[in-house]
Amino acid sequence: GAVVSQHPSWVICKSGTSVKIECRSLDFQATTMFWYRQFPKQSLMLMATSNEGSKATYEQGVEKDKFLINHASLTLSTLTVTSAHPEDSSFYICSARSIEEETQYFGPGTRLLVL
Amino acid sequence: AQSVTQLDSHVSVSEGTPVLLRCNYSSSYSPSLFWYVQHPNKGLQLLLKYTSAATLVKGINGFEAEFKKSETSFHLTKPSAHMSDAAEYFCVVRRTGRRALTFGSGTRLQVQP
Repeated sequence: GAVVSQHPSWVICKSGTSVKIECRSLDFQATTMFWYRQFPKQSLMLMATSNEGSKATYEQGVEKDKFLINHASLTLSTLTVTSAHPEDSSFYICSARSIEEETQYFGPGTRLLVL
Repeated sequence: AQSVTQLDSHVSVSEGTPVLLRCNYSSSYSPSLFWYVQHPNKGLQLLLKYTSAATLVKGINGFEAEFKKSETSFHLTKPSAHMSDAAEYFCVVRRTGRRALTFGSGTRLQVQP
């Protein structure tokens, strides 16, 4: 089946630093990838839609200058949390939609802790 | 706008008994609906999906869901719960024209021995 990986799986950083999270579709090509955020015991909230070769579409309330998204190829999207603050601590999950089908496949998530 | 409401935040059943996780949707158009499961420290896994074909959808691990337009419901069921079914379950609707997914608030399923 389709596999999506995320790296790193967890990261601890100091306040003010930037963190990059990678999302890769390992065995299929994805024209569209999505980034979600999940707070403890809460549901997933869509942050942005990432299209290969074009600018990401951000949801209302998500700062595009803080959460930089790059989708440089059909198998890789990156989310960079710039100048991270403790309130950015969360579980970040990506998903990828294959070209051939409508199903979205989710990565295992990246847990970010900002001290 | 499309949305889903999961009616129970927590459901507890005994092993071997039926499972019912409730979901109601709101959509102006014929929606695409999904159930995903999230095990602790693991990624989301697709259980099943409804895309306007058969109203009774069979998924993996013995789960199934029935799309009922008259009740705007898409409840998830399983005849007999297994300990490994304990997890968080999300009812999800796909936004028309956007491809993005809107998640329900989730239902935590607990299976007692």
